[in-house]
Formats: sequence, structure tokens, C-alpha cells
Amino acid sequence: GQNIDQPTEMTATEGAIVQINCTYQTSGFNGLFWYQQHAGEAPTFLSYNVLDGLEEKGRFSSFLSRSKGYSYLLLKELQMKDSASYLCAVRSSGGSYIPTFGRGTSLIVHP
Amino acid sequence: DGGITQSPKYLFRKEGQNVTLSCEQNLNHDAMYWYRQDPGQGLRLIYYSQIVNDFQKGDIAEGYSVSREKKESFPLTVTSAQKNPTAFYLCAGGTQDSNQPQHFGDGTRLSIL
Repeated sequence: GQNIDQPTEMTATEGAIVQINCTYQTSGFNGLFWYQQHAGEAPTFLSYNVLDGLEEKGRFSSFLSRSKGYSYLLLKELQMKDSASYLCAVRSSGGSYIPTFGRGTSLIVHP
Repeated sequence: DGGITQSPKYLFRKEGQNVTLSCEQNLNHDAMYWYRQDPGQGLRLIYYSQIVNDFQKGDIAEGYSVSREKKESFPLTVTSAQKNPTAFYLCAGGTQDSNQPQHFGDGTRLSIL
């Protein structure tokens, strides 16, 4: 099985930078996804990492270290609209390719 | 526009009733999934289907049933055997490519009257 751990809640100030961590344990790693979910809405895809290193997409970046079972999502120049839940999901190798989701991190951005 | 369409957005169930949540897709995805989301919890997999006329139980299938008679449709029935059905239900579609994300519908919020 898989075990995925994220902080439950984080707060940050508008314009600042925030890092949301995700640690995982899996029998065979085959990719990690980050999604953003506003309350009562569908999760939307942010980033995908399968190799070690940093993937940058505008204000959002995602980092992966497979040896440490660790990823983070970095949000720069925070805006009020970034207040949402951020979900980390890990795919394991073999079988169905269905990712397992963490509990999500609720980010509150205040002025 | 292409996407995953769930209906209704809000649904109420009386005790002892079965209810069916609709999920339709026009993305030509082979795979479709149903998740349940409770406050403070991640998405938990109820059922999934990777091909028409075939589906598999997920982690919390008890009290639920599905069908996949058409590629475009994957309805979920919440039966009276599901004792705690109040939750936010999300349907998703995807491909077998491991690097491709799932696409989610807008969800159905089910409540007990």
C-alpha cells in the first residue's frame, strides 16, 4: 500500500512564497501529481513529477526526490485566489496506474 | 467543450433509498473513476473502470454499485447499505498513460434528509 503525508493547514501572506511538502512511502514509485481544489469544486491539475528535480510552471514549481520519498509544491507571489486545498497524489508501478491521494493541505492566503 | 459532467450538483436522499449519481464524459477516456471526499480527508477510490463492461472495486466499494455500459457513461448508485453516504462525490476520467493527470467533474454533494 501507500502512505502519503501532507500538512493539514498552512497560512501565508499575499505576495509571499509558500512551500507545501508531501512525503510518501510506496512499494514502487511511478509519478507524483499536484492538484489544486477550491472548496466545493473539482480538483485541477497543477504539475507532474516522475524524475528527480524541479519542474517550473509560472508561479508554481514542484520538486521531487525519489530517494527521500519527498516532494514539495512552491507557490510564489501569492494571490488571494491561491487560497485552496492542494492535493498530492502518488502513482505506484504495476497494476492499474491509479494514483493514491493524500489528505490535502488547506492554504489560507491573507492580505 | 470537452470534459467530465456530473449531475446533479446537489442531491438529497431519504433513509433506505437508493440514489444514482450521473457521470458523462466526451474526452474519449478509456478509464473512469469514482471518488468520495469527506472533510479533512483525501479522495478515496470507490470504483473504477478501465474498459466498457468491466469495473473494479476500489478501497471503499461497500454500499455502492456502478455500471459501464457505454464508454461515455459511468453512473454510481449509492445504495441503502451505505450507512454514511453524506459526502462530496467526484467522478474522473483518464488514460492509461502514467504521466497523464485525471480530469475531474465538478462533483455531486449528497446529503441525507
